[in-house]
Amino acid sequence: GQNIDQPTEMTATEGAIVQINCTYQTSGFNGLFWYQQHAGEAPTFLSYNVLDGLEEKGRFSSFLSRSKGYSYLLLKELQMKDSASYLCAVVDSNYQLIWGAGTKLIIKP
Amino acid sequence: DTEVTQTPKHLVMGMTNKKSLKCEQHMGHRAMYWYKQKAKKPPELMFVYSYEKLSINESVPSRFSPECPNSSLLNLHLHALQPEDSALYLCASSQDRQGATDTQYFGPGTRLTVL
Repeated sequence: GQNIDQPTEMTATEGAIVQINCTYQTSGFNGLFWYQQHAGEAPTFLSYNVLDGLEEKGRFSSFLSRSKGYSYLLLKELQMKDSASYLCAVVDSNYQLIWGAGTKLIIKP
Repeated sequence: DTEVTQTPKHLVMGMTNKKSLKCEQHMGHRAMYWYKQKAKKPPELMFVYSYEKLSINESVPSRFSPECPNSSLLNLHLHALQPEDSALYLCASSQDRQGATDTQYFGPGTRLTVL
């Protein structure tokens, strides 16, 4: 079967750094997405990784290791508005998006 | 412009009603999607249209009927829904179904309540 694992919930402090991990076992791999979703709103695209390594985009970075079936999203200089769910999704061999259950990130002052 | 629009924003309907959800994008994307999302769960794929043809139907009950009148519009017709169908319905689009350009851009969703 296809499986994507993320922690259910994480808490961090404003101004700090947090790393949200995602491990996956899927039938084939054609890339991994990270989306941010505020409560009651639509997911918004954060990053896409298809090759191993780190992609940096402002305060957010995403890392991929295909051999380990592992990715993480790194958020720096946390702000209160970063409180949201973060969804990891893998594109499988049929080019379908397989979604993780999401990680709810709580930022405390 | 990465905007996908959806109407209405909120919808309350009875189990005997017929209603439609609408989605529009003007990014020239050729793939469009309907998702259903329950609270604290990831989006659940319902339908995929690719080049205006239905390419994926994830065993969705027939009380949900999708329609793609043209490459910019996607509708979801609702009839005889059940209270358990209450959810956030998300529309998304992507440039194509395959390849590295397959980033899906989501609309704001329709919050549906079935009484």
